[in-house]
Amino acid sequence: DIQMTQSPSSVSASVGDRVTITCRASQGISSWLAWYQQKPGNAPKLLIYAASNLQSGVPSRFSGSGSGTDFTLTISSLQPEDFATYYCQQANSFPLTFGGGTKVEIK
Amino acid sequence: EVQLVESGGGLVQPGGSLRLSCAASGFTVSNNYMNWVRQAPGKGLEWVSVIYSGGRTYYADSVKGRFTISRDSSKNTLYLQMNSLRVEDTAVYYCARKLSSGWYSDYWGQGTLVTVSS
Repeated sequence: DIQMTQSPSSVSASVGDRVTITCRASQGISSWLAWYQQKPGNAPKLLIYAASNLQSGVPSRFSGSGSGTDFTLTISSLQPEDFATYYCQQANSFPLTFGGGTKVEIK
Repeated sequence: EVQLVESGGGLVQPGGSLRLSCAASGFTVSNNYMNWVRQAPGKGLEWVSVIYSGGRTYYADSVKGRFTISRDSSKNTLYLQMNSLRVEDTAVYYCARKLSSGWYSDYWGQGTLVTVSS
């Protein structure tokens, strides 16, 4: 199975800050990577797929990059509604696996 | 509008069974690839199972032989039959539709909680 490791596990930031979350795969997955946002009590929401493609309706302050084993999710200017937990997911092979999550908290 | 609504969760004893349902609207379940993903309380996401539009199925090792994914075209509904339940199966179970390209999930249900406890 492909292991996905996210860092940091949590980050404290202020509105307007630039936030970067990283995800590392245990083996190369090309660009088969997604990023999801989850707020408490809600289902995950797809933000980015294929490493860098913005899902329809997602604000342009979210961006993704990377390929192979190392990936990044960037929020260019953190907004109040962005405080949530973010997960990466590899889509290269079954079983599909997720990172452990990164909680973005208010500083 | 695409919607997924799960039901069937609840409290069950270890070794028991439960069937989850995921009623879809706004698209046809049998024409899509559908996943079940679960999340234990306070934990991360874990993929459970997938059913292809052609009917092929795959399972996580942790549920293989105990869980069965299926669908009913007449009801446009996805199911997860869960047998021989264990305490570690306690989680919120989400159904999710696969995006047209790649193994990503673009629409998710609200989830249904399964608690396995004596």
